[in-house]
Amino acid sequence: AQSVTQLDSQVPVFEEAPVELRCNYSSSVSVYLFWYVQYPNQGLQLLLKYLSGSTLVESINGFEAEFNKSQTSFHLRKPSVHISDTAEYFCAVRLTGANNLFFGTGTRLTVIP
Amino acid sequence: SAVISQKPSRDICQRGTSLTIQCQVDSQVTMMFWYRQQPGQSLTLIATANQGSEATYESGFVIDKFPISRPNLTFSTLTVSNMSPEDSSIYLCSVSDFYGYTFGSGTRLTVV
Repeated sequence: AQSVTQLDSQVPVFEEAPVELRCNYSSSVSVYLFWYVQYPNQGLQLLLKYLSGSTLVESINGFEAEFNKSQTSFHLRKPSVHISDTAEYFCAVRLTGANNLFFGTGTRLTVIP
Repeated sequence: SAVISQKPSRDICQRGTSLTIQCQVDSQVTMMFWYRQQPGQSLTLIATANQGSEATYESGFVIDKFPISRPNLTFSTLTVSNMSPEDSSIYLCSVSDFYGYTFGSGTRLTVV
């Protein structure tokens, strides 16, 4: 059975500091990987995704994630966070041959001024 | 990516009543998904809805409690039936397209 683990439920970080949000998955088949962000009282927005090709993927607002097959990880990083990055971040996987996403439990990122 | 209009955005309902949530997509999509996000928790898939066939429900969710309609390739509804306070959650619809998975803005349901 597949699972998605986000070890950190809450991550406080000072403004302009770097951050890493961890995501590990387990699956017996190949996966596609996603990060979604949910700002307060809003819906989910796709941040970035890995489908194939380069294992390092980037978003337009400075986040990046690297697919590490040997460690079954897809950690999200940003070198310098802003107050506006305060949100809930969800890692999700889609199994090869499946149609829907499985979500991790989420990490609440709080950026401190 | 696809644009989804989900209604209502929020509602407060009496226990024992039913609420129907609507999702309208601006393009034709084969599959639509319905998720539940309970307070402080992650998203759980309720069912997958294909046009012209019965929805496929995940373990723990049944059609009598969460009937789904999918009359065409751009529209779907989810009904939460005979509600109890435990049904208080955010309900989201989602579609898959070339860009990945797009979500509606959610329906925040409170059952009192």
